[in-house]
Amino acid sequence: NAGVMQNPRHLVRRRGQEARLRCSPMKGHSHVYWYRQLPEEGLKFMVYLQKENIIDESGMPKERFSAEFPKEGPSILRIQQVVRGDSAAYFCASSSQGGYGYTFGSGTRLTVV
Amino acid sequence: SQQGEEDPQALSIQEGENATMNCSYKTSINNLQWYRQNSGRGLVHLILIRSNEREKHSGRLRVTLDTSKKSSSLLITASRAADTASYFCATVQRDRGSTLGRLYFGRGTQLTVWP
Repeated sequence: NAGVMQNPRHLVRRRGQEARLRCSPMKGHSHVYWYRQLPEEGLKFMVYLQKENIIDESGMPKERFSAEFPKEGPSILRIQQVVRGDSAAYFCASSSQGGYGYTFGSGTRLTVV
Repeated sequence: SQQGEEDPQALSIQEGENATMNCSYKTSINNLQWYRQNSGRGLVHLILIRSNEREKHSGRLRVTLDTSKKSSSLLITASRAADTASYFCATVQRDRGSTLGRLYFGRGTQLTVWP
């Protein structure tokens, strides 16, 4: 069981480019969550998805950010027209049921230059 | 705003000593979880305590929960240098019509254990 796999581990983008972050949940997990962590801070919730459905996107900025979890393949967090303030570590977690048994990936560290 | 707030922000102790970290939260919860994060790495789940539980143990870890005070503590006994990491509490709120699922994290306690 490979756990939650996130790629890439590190991503550098120039301002205005698009960033695509991928998350493959643990086998058997159908719930996926994305969190963002700024330096010296805790994780902040962005979006909660189940297969093909967005359950809660209340933590995600209305513009430039989108997330999907298709029937086949990994969950994708997309950030369009990145700005310096988007630089952060983005973590994905998965669970087999809401509220319990979260497993986190190692994160993607996005740097916008 | 963050649901959980850890105290202290930083803790520095010698190997063999016990480390106690506290967490306060604001709303009713379904459960509270503690996580560990080594520098530059992902989070590792340590222990979960449900709202109807008062104390839980796992190896050298002891977690307490006081729902009347909306607080929890994490005790690491006989600490080791390898315990050096950031520790976060995270809560899952009671379902108030919203889906049970998201974690609310505090800012964390940075624990340093000196050999």
